[in-house]
Amino acid sequence: AQTVTQSQPEMSVQEAETVTLSCTYDTSESDYYLFWYKQPPSRQMILVIRQEAYKQQNATENRFSVNFQKAAKSFSLKISDSQLGDAAMYFCAYRSPYTGTASKLTFGTGTRLQVTL
Amino acid sequence: GAVVSQHPSRVICKSGTSVKIECRSLDFQATTMFWYRQFPKQSLMLMATSNEGSKATYEQGVEKDKFLINHASLTLSTLTVTSAHPEDSSFYICSARPNRDANTGELFFGEGSRLTVL
Repeated sequence: AQTVTQSQPEMSVQEAETVTLSCTYDTSESDYYLFWYKQPPSRQMILVIRQEAYKQQNATENRFSVNFQKAAKSFSLKISDSQLGDAAMYFCAYRSPYTGTASKLTFGTGTRLQVTL
Repeated sequence: GAVVSQHPSRVICKSGTSVKIECRSLDFQATTMFWYRQFPKQSLMLMATSNEGSKATYEQGVEKDKFLINHASLTLSTLTVTSAHPEDSSFYICSARPNRDANTGELFFGEGSRLTVL
């Protein structure tokens, strides 16, 4: 079974600064998907960014980028130019490439990000 | 984009009663949907995989007779918490994977349903 570990329960960043959230995972599969989801106080899960394991190039979405190290099974999220609206719970998630039950998401424990003025 | 609607968003019930939560994919078909449970300040824990036209697949430790799942159509899955007790109070979230994107990865989430059992 796959596991996802987020070792930082809480992080804090000043507005306009950069912060990196860590995530490691364990799997025996060679192909898979990795995601970062954001959960604001409204509790709605919002996809921030995703990475396909077969792609060597790190995914980027505007101010969000990842550092995907497949050999090390590491998938960190970098948030640049942090904004107050970035304050939320961030979850790292893993998904197998298969359909049906196997396509479930396995989540890490989450990192609560605070953004200060 | 793909939209998943969950209803009700909040429900309060008495101990011993049953509560039904609906999860609808509004603009796509989904053979597979997932039900998660989230306790305060904790992560999402998968309860079961809902499969249209067949029985749900439950995760280890989840009582299938207590958490009844029905995936009646390609756009609707329901979770019924039977004989609810205070310990069932939690935040329940559904997610769905569009059939058209079966192998591309992304799942879409409902807004969640907060259940409080008195």
